[in-house]
Amino acid sequence: DAGVIQSPRHEVTEMGQEVTLRCKPISGHNSLFWYRQTMMRGLELLIYFNNNVPIDDSGMPEDRFSAKMPNASFSTLKIQPSEPRDSAVYFCASSPTSNLGTQYFGPGTRLTVL
Amino acid sequence: DQQVKQNSPSLSVQEGRISILNCDYTNSMFDYFLWYKKYPAEGPTFLISISSIKDKNEDGRFTVFLNKSAKHLSLHIVPSQPGDSAVYFCAASGNYKYIFGTGTRLKVLA
Repeated sequence: DAGVIQSPRHEVTEMGQEVTLRCKPISGHNSLFWYRQTMMRGLELLIYFNNNVPIDDSGMPEDRFSAKMPNASFSTLKIQPSEPRDSAVYFCASSPTSNLGTQYFGPGTRLTVL
Repeated sequence: DQQVKQNSPSLSVQEGRISILNCDYTNSMFDYFLWYKKYPAEGPTFLISISSIKDKNEDGRFTVFLNKSAKHLSLHIVPSQPGDSAVYFCAASGNYKYIFGTGTRLKVLA
């Protein structure tokens, strides 16, 4: 099993640009999570999906952030327009259950907004 | 409002000794608790978990203790090994919430 796949692994962009992060969950998993990790706030849950449906997006910082899961094998997190304070490592995770148990994380995308 | 807190950002322990990592939570709705380990440039990996109906769960060198009345959990690693050096996150879930602490960096000295 390839595990959770994220792309790109690193992204450097300029303020105001659109950024799209991609995630492929583990096959058969029906829950998918997006997290942001910063030094100050640790791991913050941004949004999670169950069976492709967004369940809780209360962690999404503001309207500049949006996430989609068009099918069971793909999700995107988009930031438009990006700002320097969005610089962080973004993790995607998937889980085989919908009861918020063990999650399997991807390697993360390190985003730098200049 | 930090619902899950790891008050020690770092901890150093001698190889072979016990490592104790602590975590406090505030929300009584949490009913499942997990510990994850994270190495640099990798995503967190699941380590051990405990349901709120238990007060202890053991897996090899790792034991998690839960004190519901104090809203406190701890992870014990015995004996500690240099390969255990990593950042450890506790997480709490329940009521459709899944919240991580800010992490504790453990360094095991050889």
